[in-house]
Amino acid sequence: NAGVMQNPRHLVRRRGQEARLRCSPMKGHSHVYWYRQLPEEGLKFMVYLQKENIIDESGMPKERFSAEFPKEGPSILRIQQVVRGDSAAYFCASSLSRDRDQPQHFGDGTRLSIL
Amino acid sequence: GESVGLHLPTLSVQEGDNSIINCAYSNSASDYFIWYKQESGKGPQFIIDIRSNMDKRQGQRVTVLLNKTVKHLSLQIAATQPGDSAVYFCAENASVQGGKLIFGQGTELSVKP
Repeated sequence: NAGVMQNPRHLVRRRGQEARLRCSPMKGHSHVYWYRQLPEEGLKFMVYLQKENIIDESGMPKERFSAEFPKEGPSILRIQQVVRGDSAAYFCASSLSRDRDQPQHFGDGTRLSIL
Repeated sequence: GESVGLHLPTLSVQEGDNSIINCAYSNSASDYFIWYKQESGKGPQFIIDIRSNMDKRQGQRVTVLLNKTVKHLSLQIAATQPGDSAVYFCAENASVQGGKLIFGQGTELSVKP
């Protein structure tokens, strides 16, 4: 009965490199969400995906960030040409359906550090 | 912008006492709220949720109260234990199409033995 799995747990990149964060939702869940958390702050919504579709990307920066959730395999959050300001904890959540009152269940995050 | 906020950044209680964590929201159309607990180094853990057609909902040792008149909700933890020490977030599901949670800043609960 695995929960939401994220990897890697910690990721260190130098400025200008690419970061790839992976998320496997809970079994049976086909809706995935990505959030970013800066130190001492709450989580900020980034993007909501369903299999092969982006439903809501209103929280995604317009440049360098992209997300996908392919038919097979985990969801990927990709950050190109990383900058120091990208250092944060990135959390993925999943839910059973898109109903507004379906709780989202979170993974333990990927902590991204930019040197 | 953010529509969910918390009153206090920190709360310290004695073990065994009851804890009350408050949250205010500004969007009167908000109709679904969730409380999450986040321990250090972990992701947010779902505690309890409430819809706007309810005033109160109870779980195991937790109760959420919703006052739509003043747009306020609270999380009450009975007989607080050291394991309850964490940051607590209220969140609102703000999207008509589902999915987008708006989180408050969080209240850090410390339980003194």
